[in-house]
Amino acid sequence: AQRVTQPEKLLSVFKGAPVELKCNYSYSGSPELFWYVQYSRQRLQLLLRHISRESIKGFTADLNKGETSFHLKKPFAQEEDSAMYYCALSAQGAQKLVFGQGTRLTINP
Amino acid sequence: NAGVMQNPRHLVRRRGQEARLRCSPMKGHSHVYWYRQLPEEGLKFMVYLQKENIIDESGMPKERFSAEFPKEGPSILRIQQVVRGDSAAYFCASSPGALAKNIQYFGAGTRLSVL
Repeated sequence: AQRVTQPEKLLSVFKGAPVELKCNYSYSGSPELFWYVQYSRQRLQLLLRHISRESIKGFTADLNKGETSFHLKKPFAQEEDSAMYYCALSAQGAQKLVFGQGTRLTINP
Repeated sequence: NAGVMQNPRHLVRRRGQEARLRCSPMKGHSHVYWYRQLPEEGLKFMVYLQKENIIDESGMPKERFSAEFPKEGPSILRIQQVVRGDSAAYFCASSPGALAKNIQYFGAGTRLSVL
């Protein structure tokens, strides 16, 4: 069975500081990993996925198969980054997403 | 494109009543997914449907829950004889195709409260 773990329920950093949201997964095959974000009073939306290898809103995430991690990073946090962040996994050939519990990120001015 | 539409946004039911949650996928999308989010938890997969077919219902409780996605009209998640433990946010997502790399687009959710 697949599992996604986000060890931090809450994360608070100051504006301009680096931010890292941790995500670890458990899956024996080749996963596809995603980060979804939910801003206040908005619906859940895709932030980035590992196969795209792109930076969105200054965020990047690298899949580390050795450590089974997919941490989300941004070098300089902005106040508008405050949101709920969910890491999700899709198993090889499967369509359903397995979500972590989420991390609420708060950027302090 | 209006995005994935879910209604109602809020639904209150008494124990023993039936709850019907509706989801209209994005235009051009033929794949629908339902997820449930209990308080303080992440989203949990329930069921994956294509038009007129249930593809994966591995996350659906065995009793009282059913889902359909008819040829015409929205997808329906039906909960019979609701209990307090059914209180949760129910999210629907849609995608244009079956490949895992296809992005799932989420609706705003239906918050079910069982009194």
